[in-house]
Formats: sequence, structure tokens, C-alpha cells
Amino acid sequence: AQRVTQPEKLLSVFKGAPVELKCNYSYSGSPELFWYVQYSRQRLQLLLRHISRESIKGFTADLNKGETSFHLKKPFAQEEDSAMYYCALKIEETSGSRLTFGEGTQLTVNP
Amino acid sequence: SAVISQKPSRDICQRGTSLTIQCQVDSQVTMMFWYRQQPGQSLTLIATANQGSEATYESGFVIDKFPISRPNLTFSTLTVSNMSPEDSSIYLCSVEDLLGYGYTFGSGTRLTVV
Repeated sequence: AQRVTQPEKLLSVFKGAPVELKCNYSYSGSPELFWYVQYSRQRLQLLLRHISRESIKGFTADLNKGETSFHLKKPFAQEEDSAMYYCALKIEETSGSRLTFGEGTQLTVNP
Repeated sequence: SAVISQKPSRDICQRGTSLTIQCQVDSQVTMMFWYRQQPGQSLTLIATANQGSEATYESGFVIDKFPISRPNLTFSTLTVSNMSPEDSSIYLCSVEDLLGYGYTFGSGTRLTVV
């Protein structure tokens, strides 16, 4: 089955602490994964994608095919990082492609 | 990346009525996607809308309940028909950005059915 799993619904850390949001996937094809973020009262927006291998707002994520994971990491969390984070997998089908989302992790960074 | 305008941003509707949500994109796109986000839950794909053909619905969603139009490459509508309180959700449209920025989302329509 094609699935994205985010095991932590809630994650709370203190400012300056490292943070890791976990994401595991199940997919028979070559995976293309994304992290999306939704700040309070704002639209869902792309944070990063594994293909670009970039760091956005200090966040990085490495695709580990052996562990089928795409965990999101930041060495020093900031209060403005508090948001809902969704891991998403692009699924390719004969009719086209689409995204399937994990359940999301609500990150709270405490002062 | 593509810019999506979605409206209305919110609405409160009586049960048994229908609401049509509009999604306008500032560039031509092949596929447009409609998602539902129920309270406290993740996004669930309702259907994929291709221009010039019928929408493709995901399991659990049917055309009679969620008819979709896609008259051109920049516009789509989703209608939530014969609404009940269980339809209270945020509905979002999305497109795949062909410049490689991933998928872009509209700001969503927060629907409350009373």
C-alpha cells in the first residue's frame, strides 16, 4: 500500500533545542517526498522537497530509502517554527500523479 | 510558483443546500486537485480534475455528492451537494507546479454546515 506515516501527532521542544519530525513511507516506485508547513491561519506551503536537497529556514530532510524515511530536522528550533508539518509522497499512476499526506505533526516551540 | 485564488474563504450553510467553491490559477495547468481537511485531520484527496474530461474520484467520494467542473486550464469548481454537518471541513484546491516547485495550494474554504 502507498502510505505516509507521521508517528507523532504532537511534538513540543524548547527554543534552541534540536527538533526532528519523523516521516516514514511505503511506496513501490521511486519515491518523491515533500514536507509542507501550515502556520496558524495561513495556507499550506511547501517547505522542502527531497529532490532539491536544500535547506529552508534551517530545516533539512534526507531521504533514506533503506529505512523508507524522510525525517525533517533542525538543529536549533525557533518559536516561529511552531506550526503543523505534513510529510507528503508523490504517487505516479497511469492517470497522472498526486500527493498523499501523512497525518501531520503539530510542532510547538516553547520559549 | 503558481498562484491560486480560492473562494469563498468561508461559508456557513444550511443542511440540504449546496455550495460551489471556485479555484482560479494564474497559469495554465493540466491537473487540478481537490482536497478535504476535516477538523483535526490531514488532507484527503477528493478528486483530480483534468480539462476536457471527467474528474477522477478517490475511493469514498462520488460525483453526485462532489460534482466538479473544469472548463479550461486555469479554473475549476467543486460543489458540495446536499450538505450535512459531516461535510463541515476545509476544502482546498491544488495544482502541480510545472516549474518544479512541487504542489501549490489555495488558501482553502472553511465550510460549516448547520
